[in-house]
Amino acid sequence: EIVMTQSPATLSVSPGERATLSCRASQSVSSNLAWYQQKPGQAPRLLIYGASTRATGIPARFSGSGSGTEFTLTISSLQSEDFAVYYCQQYNNWLSYTFGQGTKLEIK
Amino acid sequence: QVQLVQSGSELKKPGASVKVSCKASGYTFTSYAMNWVRQAPGQGLEWMGWINTNTGNPTYAQGFTGRFVFSLDTSVSTAYLQISSLKAEDTAVYYCARYGSGSYLHYWGQGTLVTVSS
Repeated sequence: EIVMTQSPATLSVSPGERATLSCRASQSVSSNLAWYQQKPGQAPRLLIYGASTRATGIPARFSGSGSGTEFTLTISSLQSEDFAVYYCQQYNNWLSYTFGQGTKLEIK
Repeated sequence: QVQLVQSGSELKKPGASVKVSCKASGYTFTSYAMNWVRQAPGQGLEWMGWINTNTGNPTYAQGFTGRFVFSLDTSVSTAYLQISSLKAEDTAVYYCARYGSGSYLHYWGQGTLVTVSS
């Protein structure tokens, strides 16, 4: 099973600043990596797929990069609605898709 | 527009069974596989597996074999998750989720809370 490790577990950032979240895979997943945002009491929302493609309706301040085993989600200028938990997920192996443990983005 | 609407919250006793439904609309049900994802209270997301909506063939993740069964009723565009011999540790929100153009989870149901308590 591919293990996805996200860092940091919690990130404290001020509104208007940049946030950088990391996700590492235990083996290569090519570009088969998605990022999701989850707010309390809500279902996850797809942000990024294919490591760097924004889903429909996702603001341009969200960007994804990386391939292989190292991935990054960057939020360029944090808005109040961006404070949430973010998960990465690999979908390289159709027998076993796995999520990272999540990064909580909180207001500094 | 694509919608996945799940059944309501359930309260069950240990040892009982539960069946969660996920009704799809806004697309051809058999064109996309359906996934199931578990989220225990205060915890992260766990991918449980998926079911091929054309063939009905399920794929279960490690840790979700035996007591967990995915099924379909294509006549009403609905996927089901059944959990038998419920344990307290099965208490969680269960989500159904549909692929997008690739195998990422583009559309999600609203979640169903299953609580197992005596």
